[in-house]
Amino acid sequence: ETGVTQSPTHLIKTRGQQVTLRCSSQSGHNTVSWYQQALGQGPQFIFQYYREEENGRGNFPPRFSGLQFPNYSSELNVNALELDDSALYLCASSTGAGGGSYEQYFGPGTRLTVT
Amino acid sequence: QQQVKQSPQSLIVQKGGISIINCAYENTAFDYFPWYQQFPGKGPALLIAIRPDVSEKKEGRFTISFNKSAKQFSLHIMDSQPGDSATYFCAASPPWYAGNMLTFGGGTRLMVKP
Repeated sequence: ETGVTQSPTHLIKTRGQQVTLRCSSQSGHNTVSWYQQALGQGPQFIFQYYREEENGRGNFPPRFSGLQFPNYSSELNVNALELDDSALYLCASSTGAGGGSYEQYFGPGTRLTVT
Repeated sequence: QQQVKQSPQSLIVQKGGISIINCAYENTAFDYFPWYQQFPGKGPALLIAIRPDVSEKKEGRFTISFNKSAKQFSLHIMDSQPGDSATYFCAASPPWYAGNMLTFGGGTRLMVKP
Protein backbone atom coordinates (compact mmCIF):
# COMPACT_ATOMS: atom_id res chain seq x y z
CA GLU A 1 0.00 0.00 0.00
CA THR A 2 1.44 3.37 -1.05
CA GLY A 3 1.20 6.25 1.39
CA VAL A 4 0.52 9.90 0.64
CA THR A 5 3.21 11.49 -1.49
CA GLN A 6 3.84 15.16 -2.22
CA SER A 7 6.00 17.05 -4.66
CA PRO A 8 8.18 18.96 -4.70
CA THR A 9 9.87 18.58 -1.32
CA HIS A 10 11.14 22.13 -1.21
CA LEU A 11 10.38 25.21 -3.26
CA ILE A 12 11.65 28.78 -3.27
CA LYS A 13 9.54 31.45 -4.95
CA THR A 14 9.53 35.22 -5.19
CA ARG A 15 6.73 37.41 -3.87
CA GLY A 16 4.02 37.85 -6.52
CA GLN A 17 4.76 34.57 -8.29
CA GLN A 18 2.44 31.60 -8.58
CA VAL A 19 3.08 28.06 -7.32
CA THR A 20 1.53 24.62 -7.82
CA LEU A 21 1.97 21.84 -5.29
CA ARG A 22 1.02 18.23 -5.96
CA CYS A 23 -0.30 15.37 -3.87
CA SER A 24 -1.00 11.71 -4.56
CA SER A 25 -3.45 10.21 -2.13
CA GLN A 26 -3.09 6.90 -0.38
CA SER A 27 -4.43 3.91 -2.28
CA GLY A 28 -8.19 3.57 -1.81
CA HIS A 29 -8.66 7.12 -0.49
CA ASN A 30 -11.03 9.44 -2.35
CA THR A 31 -10.83 12.58 -0.19
CA VAL A 32 -7.90 14.99 -0.11
CA SER A 33 -7.44 17.86 2.33
CA TRP A 34 -4.76 20.55 2.26
CA TYR A 35 -3.29 22.24 5.32
CA GLN A 36 -0.82 25.08 5.86
CA GLN A 37 1.61 24.75 8.75
CA ALA A 38 3.57 27.87 9.64
CA LEU A 39 6.78 27.38 11.59
CA GLY A 40 6.10 26.45 15.20
CA GLN A 41 2.33 26.25 14.75
CA GLY A 42 -0.34 23.63 14.20
CA PRO A 43 -1.61 22.91 10.69
CA GLN A 44 -4.49 25.06 9.45
CA PHE A 45 -7.15 23.67 7.14
CA ILE A 46 -7.16 25.24 3.65
CA PHE A 47 -9.72 23.15 1.76
CA GLN A 48 -10.91 19.63 1.04
CA TYR A 49 -11.75 17.87 -2.22
CA TYR A 50 -14.06 14.91 -2.67
CA ARG A 51 -14.98 13.47 -6.07
CA GLU A 52 -13.25 16.39 -7.80
CA GLU A 53 -15.40 18.98 -6.02
CA GLU A 54 -14.43 21.36 -3.22
CA ASN A 55 -16.06 19.95 -0.10
CA GLY A 56 -15.15 22.58 2.46
CA ARG A 57 -12.86 25.56 2.83
CA GLY A 58 -11.05 27.19 5.71
CA ASN A 59 -10.30 30.85 6.23
CA PHE A 60 -8.01 31.31 3.23
CA PRO A 61 -8.35 33.88 0.40
CA PRO A 62 -9.42 32.92 -3.14
CA ARG A 63 -5.83 33.08 -4.39
CA PHE A 64 -5.55 29.63 -2.78
CA SER A 65 -7.24 27.22 -5.16
CA GLY A 66 -7.19 23.54 -5.85
CA LEU A 67 -8.06 20.66 -8.10
CA GLN A 68 -8.72 16.99 -7.65
CA PHE A 69 -8.27 14.58 -10.54
CA PRO A 70 -10.19 11.37 -11.39
CA ASN A 71 -7.40 9.30 -9.82
CA TYR A 72 -7.95 11.32 -6.59
CA SER A 73 -4.59 13.08 -6.81
CA SER A 74 -4.73 16.80 -6.12
CA GLU A 75 -3.07 20.14 -6.74
CA LEU A 76 -2.86 23.25 -4.58
CA ASN A 77 -2.32 26.50 -6.46
CA VAL A 78 -1.37 29.75 -4.80
CA ASN A 79 -1.37 32.96 -6.84
CA ALA A 80 0.26 36.29 -6.02
CA LEU A 81 2.51 34.81 -3.37
CA GLU A 82 3.08 36.79 -0.19
CA LEU A 83 5.89 36.46 2.34
CA ASP A 84 3.40 35.06 4.88
CA ASP A 85 2.69 32.15 2.55
CA SER A 86 6.04 30.67 3.56
CA ALA A 87 5.09 27.45 5.33
CA LEU A 88 4.96 23.68 5.16
CA TYR A 89 2.02 22.64 2.99
CA LEU A 90 0.53 19.31 3.96
CA CYS A 91 -1.77 17.05 2.05
CA ALA A 92 -3.91 14.49 3.86
CA SER A 93 -5.97 11.72 2.34
CA SER A 94 -8.89 9.77 3.71
CA THR A 95 -12.01 7.91 2.72
CA GLY A 96 -13.79 10.64 4.69
CA ALA A 97 -16.54 12.47 2.89
CA GLY A 98 -18.13 9.49 1.24
CA GLY A 99 -16.69 6.64 3.23
CA GLY A 100 -17.81 7.26 6.76
CA SER A 101 -14.23 7.34 7.99
CA TYR A 102 -12.53 9.97 10.10
CA GLU A 103 -8.87 9.01 9.81
CA GLN A 104 -6.66 11.35 7.78
CA TYR A 105 -3.15 10.38 6.76
CA PHE A 106 -0.64 13.07 5.99
CA GLY A 107 2.11 13.27 3.41
CA PRO A 108 5.59 14.60 4.20
CA GLY A 109 4.72 18.10 3.05
CA THR A 110 6.18 20.68 0.70
CA ARG A 111 8.29 23.40 2.29
CA LEU A 112 7.54 26.66 0.47
CA THR A 113 9.77 29.68 1.02
CA VAL A 114 8.69 33.03 -0.42
CA THR A 115 11.40 35.70 -0.68
CA GLN B 1 -10.65 32.03 16.64
CA GLN B 2 -8.66 29.19 18.15
CA GLN B 3 -11.16 26.43 18.69
CA VAL B 4 -8.71 23.91 20.14
CA LYS B 5 -6.34 25.03 22.88
CA GLN B 6 -3.37 22.85 23.76
CA SER B 7 -1.04 22.91 26.76
CA PRO B 8 1.75 22.92 27.67
CA GLN B 9 3.68 24.36 24.74
CA SER B 10 6.74 22.37 25.77
CA LEU B 11 7.39 19.48 28.11
CA ILE B 12 10.53 17.81 29.43
CA VAL B 13 10.18 14.32 30.93
CA GLN B 14 12.70 11.82 32.18
CA LYS B 15 12.96 8.45 30.47
CA GLY B 16 10.39 6.11 31.96
CA GLY B 17 8.17 8.94 33.16
CA ILE B 18 4.63 9.86 32.15
CA SER B 19 4.04 12.64 29.61
CA ILE B 20 0.67 14.38 29.81
CA ILE B 21 -0.63 16.82 27.22
CA ASN B 22 -3.98 18.54 27.52
CA CYS B 23 -6.44 20.00 25.04
CA ALA B 24 -9.70 21.89 25.35
CA TYR B 25 -12.22 22.54 22.61
CA GLU B 26 -15.13 24.93 22.17
CA ASN B 27 -17.20 23.57 19.30
CA THR B 28 -19.70 21.00 20.60
CA ALA B 29 -20.20 19.76 17.03
CA PHE B 30 -16.75 18.15 17.09
CA ASP B 31 -17.13 14.39 16.90
CA TYR B 32 -13.62 12.99 16.51
CA PHE B 33 -10.47 13.77 18.46
CA PRO B 34 -7.13 12.49 17.12
CA TRP B 35 -3.60 13.01 18.31
CA TYR B 36 -0.76 13.38 15.82
CA GLN B 37 2.98 13.02 16.31
CA GLN B 38 5.33 15.04 14.15
CA PHE B 39 9.08 14.73 13.83
CA PRO B 40 11.16 17.59 12.36
CA GLY B 41 10.88 17.72 8.58
CA LYS B 42 8.08 15.17 8.48
CA GLY B 43 4.33 15.26 8.14
CA PRO B 44 2.08 14.55 11.16
CA ALA B 45 1.48 10.85 11.84
CA LEU B 46 -1.80 9.67 13.33
CA LEU B 47 -1.09 8.27 16.79
CA ILE B 48 -4.41 7.53 18.43
CA ALA B 49 -7.96 8.90 18.26
CA ILE B 50 -11.19 8.85 20.22
CA ARG B 51 -14.89 9.47 19.67
CA PRO B 52 -17.05 11.17 22.35
CA ASP B 53 -18.97 7.96 23.16
CA VAL B 54 -16.05 6.63 25.24
CA SER B 55 -14.08 8.24 28.06
CA GLU B 56 -10.77 6.50 27.53
CA LYS B 57 -8.87 4.68 24.80
CA LYS B 58 -5.56 2.92 25.20
CA GLU B 59 -3.14 1.74 22.52
CA GLY B 60 0.14 0.42 23.85
CA ARG B 61 1.84 3.17 25.86
CA PHE B 62 -0.56 5.85 24.60
CA THR B 63 -3.88 6.66 26.30
CA ILE B 64 -6.49 9.29 25.50
CA SER B 65 -8.75 10.47 28.31
CA PHE B 66 -11.90 12.30 27.22
CA ASN B 67 -14.22 14.48 29.32
CA LYS B 68 -17.22 15.46 27.21
CA SER B 69 -18.87 17.69 29.84
CA ALA B 70 -15.67 19.68 30.36
CA LYS B 71 -14.88 19.67 26.63
CA GLN B 72 -11.36 18.49 27.38
CA PHE B 73 -9.18 15.58 26.34
CA SER B 74 -5.65 14.57 27.09
CA LEU B 75 -2.86 12.31 25.88
CA HIS B 76 -0.88 10.24 28.35
CA ILE B 77 2.38 8.63 27.23
CA MET B 78 3.43 5.98 29.71
CA ASP B 79 7.06 4.87 30.10
CA SER B 80 8.20 7.77 27.92
CA GLN B 81 11.25 7.03 25.75
CA PRO B 82 13.79 9.31 24.04
CA GLY B 83 12.33 8.18 20.72
CA ASP B 84 9.05 9.79 21.76
CA SER B 85 10.72 13.20 21.55
CA ALA B 86 8.64 15.02 18.95
CA THR B 87 5.90 17.61 18.62
CA TYR B 88 2.41 16.40 19.47
CA PHE B 89 -0.77 17.94 18.14
CA CYS B 90 -4.31 17.38 19.29
CA ALA B 91 -7.06 17.96 16.77
CA ALA B 92 -10.81 17.79 16.39
CA SER B 93 -13.20 17.38 13.50
CA PRO B 94 -16.95 17.44 12.87
CA PRO B 95 -18.76 14.25 11.82
CA TRP B 96 -17.47 12.68 8.60
CA TYR B 97 -20.68 13.53 6.74
CA ALA B 98 -20.07 17.24 7.53
CA GLY B 99 -16.58 17.05 6.09
CA ASN B 100 -13.82 15.70 8.30
CA MET B 101 -11.66 18.80 8.26
CA LEU B 102 -9.35 18.93 11.24
CA THR B 103 -8.85 21.85 13.61
CA PHE B 104 -5.48 21.54 15.32
CA GLY B 105 -4.13 22.73 18.63
CA GLY B 106 -0.94 24.74 18.74
CA GLY B 107 1.31 21.76 19.52
CA THR B 108 3.45 20.52 22.40
CA ARG B 109 7.16 19.96 21.95
CA LEU B 110 8.08 16.93 24.05
CA MET B 111 11.64 16.15 25.03
CA VAL B 112 12.34 12.87 26.83
CA LYS B 113 15.71 12.92 28.59
CA PRO B 114 17.69 9.68 28.77
